[in-house]
Amino acid sequence: DTGVSQDPRHKITKRGQNVTFRCDPISEHNRLYWYRQTLGQGPEFLTYFQNEAQLEKSRLLSDRFSAERPKGSFSTLEIQRTEQGDSAMYLCASSLTQGANYGYTFGSGTRLTVV
Amino acid sequence: AQSVAQPEDQVNVAEGNPLTVKCTYSVSGNPYLFWYVQYPNRGLQFLLKYITGDNLVKGSYGFEAEFNKSQTSFHLKKPSALVSDSALYFCAVNRNAGNMLTFGGGTRLMVKP
Repeated sequence: DTGVSQDPRHKITKRGQNVTFRCDPISEHNRLYWYRQTLGQGPEFLTYFQNEAQLEKSRLLSDRFSAERPKGSFSTLEIQRTEQGDSAMYLCASSLTQGANYGYTFGSGTRLTVV
Repeated sequence: AQSVAQPEDQVNVAEGNPLTVKCTYSVSGNPYLFWYVQYPNRGLQFLLKYITGDNLVKGSYGFEAEFNKSQTSFHLKKPSALVSDSALYFCAVNRNAGNMLTFGGGTRLMVKP
C-alpha cells in the first residue's frame, strides 16, 4: 500500500449528470477526508469519516453532495445533478486518529470538468 | 474560526538564492501548522509541520519553517533554491489537533536558472 488512491483521475460530464468518485486510503488509516480545490485556490474541507462514521458533513457544499464509507475502508463522493460550478479538483486524504499529530496523506485527486 | 493568509500570489527567486514563502494564521487555541507542495495536476505533498517544541521545524527537500507565535506567522524557508522547487505551496492550520485543515490560497514559487 503506497498511498492514497483516487479514481478516476479525470472525469468530464455533462451538466445535470451524476458523478461518483472513489478514494482508497492508506489501509491502516481510520480517518478519511474529502476536500475540493478550485483553480487558483487552496483546498476546501468538505467532510470526514472515522472508520465508517461520517463525523462532519456540514461543510458539504449542497444537498447534491454526499459521501459514504460503508465498510470503513474506501469512500465514495457523489455529486448529483452536476453544475458547471462543480468543476474542480476533488482531493481525498487519510490519517490515523489525531491526524494533526501524525499527518495527513493526500491522493492525487480527481479533476472534474462539467460541460 | 481559523484562517490562513498567504500574502504573495507568486515568489520569484534565482536558483541558489535563499527563498521565503510567507504565511500568517488566525486560530483560537493551539495552532497545528503545515506546509504542503503541489505540482501540476497532482495532489498535495507534505513538507513539514509544527505542533509544539522548537520554533524552527525542518522538513523534506531541505525546507524549514519558523513558527512565530507573537506574529502568528509560519514562514517557509530554504537556504538555496533549486529550479525543481518551482511549484505551488500551501500553508494550512488545524486547531487543537482537530480534523479540519484550513488552507491558505497558495503561493506559486518560480525559481529561475
